Amino acid sequence: RKEVEQDPGPFNVPEGATVAFNCTYSNSASQSFFWYRQDCRKEPKLLMSVYSSGNEDGRFTAQLNRASQYISLLIRDSKLSDSATYLCVVNFYNQGGKLIFGQGTELSVKP
Amino acid sequence: NAGVTQTPKFQVLKTGQSMTLQCAQDMNHEYMSWYRQDPGMGLRLIHYSVGAGITDQGEVPNGYNVSRSTTEDFPLRLLSAAPSQTSVYFCVIRSSTGELFFGEGSRLTVL
Repeated sequence: RKEVEQDPGPFNVPEGATVAFNCTYSNSASQSFFWYRQDCRKEPKLLMSVYSSGNEDGRFTAQLNRASQYISLLIRDSKLSDSATYLCVVNFYNQGGKLIFGQGTELSVKP
Repeated sequence: NAGVTQTPKFQVLKTGQSMTLQCAQDMNHEYMSWYRQDPGMGLRLIHYSVGAGITDQGEVPNGYNVSRSTTEDFPLRLLSAAPSQTSVYFCVIRSSTGELFFGEGSRLTVL
């Protein structure tokens, strides 16, 4: 089993739709979590960090469920410009602090 | 990508040739790492380092060699390139606060 897993998609949604991605991780001692956005295999850009209490940034909401070992990203009112690949990143502090990326979820927002 | 210099951006090799991907930083961060990204596979960790003189293997270390003689540099060596090493490579650096810095990526093709 991979340490960090995502549904690769693609998710094809119309403009204005709400879409949610999940990312599961295998190590319960993982300490920090992030969502990154990647366009056309350029370097990924930070979308948001994920906190235990959940956090929101405009149309984006990230949540962490430690009991079930997954994080989620919710995008409301999807825009064409949201089309990208979304990567979850987990920091495994008890394994030398290595960072593991999920394989990415591809989102395509259509007019 | 301020503070991270990754070279070269593009490289074509023949099977069996050797080369080194360079990653340099001027931010004095301890954690440096190399990932490869292939379609549908996300970013997979090759090697990482938590400080000068310390390196460790990631998910896919075979065929790659690293060293960390200084804080600033973390080169990735391919001793005998194989077509399976055709990929996009990213150097990723992490600050003490968890912020990630990416190199611009190196597209390697092995014929």
